[in-house]
Amino acid sequence: GNSVTQMEGPVTLSEEAFLTINCTYTATGYPSLFWYVQYPGEGLQLLLKATKADDKGSNKGFEATYRKETTSFHLEKGSVQVSDSAVYFCAAKKTDSNYQLIWGAGTKLIIKP
Amino acid sequence: EAGVAQSPRYKIIEKRQSVAFWCNPISGHATLYWYQQILGQGPKLLIQFQNNGVVDDSQLPKDRFSAERLKGVDSTLKIQPAKLEDSAVYLCASSSDSASYEQYFGPGTRLTVT
Repeated sequence: GNSVTQMEGPVTLSEEAFLTINCTYTATGYPSLFWYVQYPGEGLQLLLKATKADDKGSNKGFEATYRKETTSFHLEKGSVQVSDSAVYFCAAKKTDSNYQLIWGAGTKLIIKP
Repeated sequence: EAGVAQSPRYKIIEKRQSVAFWCNPISGHATLYWYQQILGQGPKLLIQFQNNGVVDDSQLPKDRFSAERLKGVDSTLKIQPAKLEDSAVYLCASSSDSASYEQYFGPGTRLTVT
């Protein structure tokens, strides 16, 4: 069945460090892929998305490229800030349903000044 | 544009009591979702509405959970009676028909069952 696997957290980095959060998916076909972010005390927000292979989603300095060869959608940022501390969720749209999303378990990111 | 509104933000109840959550989606969004998010896990879909009809409630524990979306706008989710394992954050999300894969989330209701 469809599934999304992302790296376990917490991930702790110093400010200005390079960030990678791994995400891989298992699905039939080529689902749209998403990264959502949940800041402390807030609801989930769509961070970026990619709808087809080789697409690159980007927002707020974060990037992720849809790699069909490796079924991956890793989240990257060149220089993280303390304000990026949050929980990041990778998700894939189910290809055989009514716009439902398959969610990863989330990765908590802690940025230290 | 106003976001998805949810209330209450926090609720503490004893097991076997009942509780209700309310959600008002973004104006014009036809699709509404209720999720359960247990600490350390991704959101789990409980029920999906399209206007005032149920699209999918396959993961809703129907012996204790119920949800309605009268008039196709706001929605309520009820738990009766609550169990300890219902302690979680309950998220409401909505999406428009034109971009249905983009879901907009409310702040959630944190439920603690003691």
